Amino acid sequence: AQKVTQTQTSISVMEKTTVTMDCVYETQDSSYFLFWYKQTASGEIVFLIRQDSYKKENATVGHYSLNFQKPKSSIGLIITATQIEDSAVYFCAMREGGPNAYKVIFGKGTHLHVLP
Amino acid sequence: DPKIIQKPKYLVAVTGSEKILICEQYLGHNAMYWYRQSAKKPLEFMFSYSYQKLMDNQTASSRFQPQSSKKNHLDLQITALKPDDSATYFCASSQDWGEDQNTLYFGAGTRLSVL
Repeated sequence: AQKVTQTQTSISVMEKTTVTMDCVYETQDSSYFLFWYKQTASGEIVFLIRQDSYKKENATVGHYSLNFQKPKSSIGLIITATQIEDSAVYFCAMREGGPNAYKVIFGKGTHLHVLP
Repeated sequence: DPKIIQKPKYLVAVTGSEKILICEQYLGHNAMYWYRQSAKKPLEFMFSYSYQKLMDNQTASSRFQPQSSKKNHLDLQITALKPDDSATYFCASSQDWGEDQNTLYFGAGTRLSVL
C-alpha cells in the first residue's frame, strides 16, 4: 500500500537561511511521481515541484530543490534563501502508476515558520 | 483568473440536509478529483474521474456522490449531512499527457460547516 510520511510537524527558521523538510514514502510500484505542495494561510494549495522516479537528477525550480534518495524512499524539499512569505504548510505527495494512478496521497504536512 | 472554480466558497448546512459542491476547471485537463481537509485528516483523497468515468473511490459512505455532467465539471453531492462532514472540500484536476502530466492543480476549496 502506498504511504507518505512527514515526521516534522513544525519547523522555524530565520529569514534568508536554508531549510530542509523531510518526506519518506512507501510504494510497491517501480514507477511513481513525487510532489511538493504549499498551503498558504489563506488555504490556497499551490504546486511547487515534482520528481519522477525514473529521473536521477534532482529537480530544481527557483529557490526550491529536491533531495531524491531512491534507495531510502526519501524526497526532501530544500528551500534556499527563505523569505517571510515562505511561511506555510508544505505537503509531500505521491502518485503511483498502474491501478492507483488516479489517486495522489498526501503526507500530514510540515508547518514552516520563517522568522524575520 | 482562477482556472479551477469552486462554488460556494463557504457553506453552512443543518444536520440531515443535502448540499451540492460545484467544481469547474478550465485547464483542459481530463482528470478531476475531490479531496477533503479537516483538522483530523489533512488532505484526504475521496474520488477521481477521468473523461467523466470514475477511476478511484476511497470514500466509504454512499452519502458522497460525485456528478460529472461535462468533462470539465465534477460536482459533489452530499446527503444526510452530519457534523463530522464539516471540512474544507478541494477540487483538483490533472492531465495524462505532456510534461505536466499527473500534477494536481487545486481549486480554492469550499468550507462546509454542518450544524
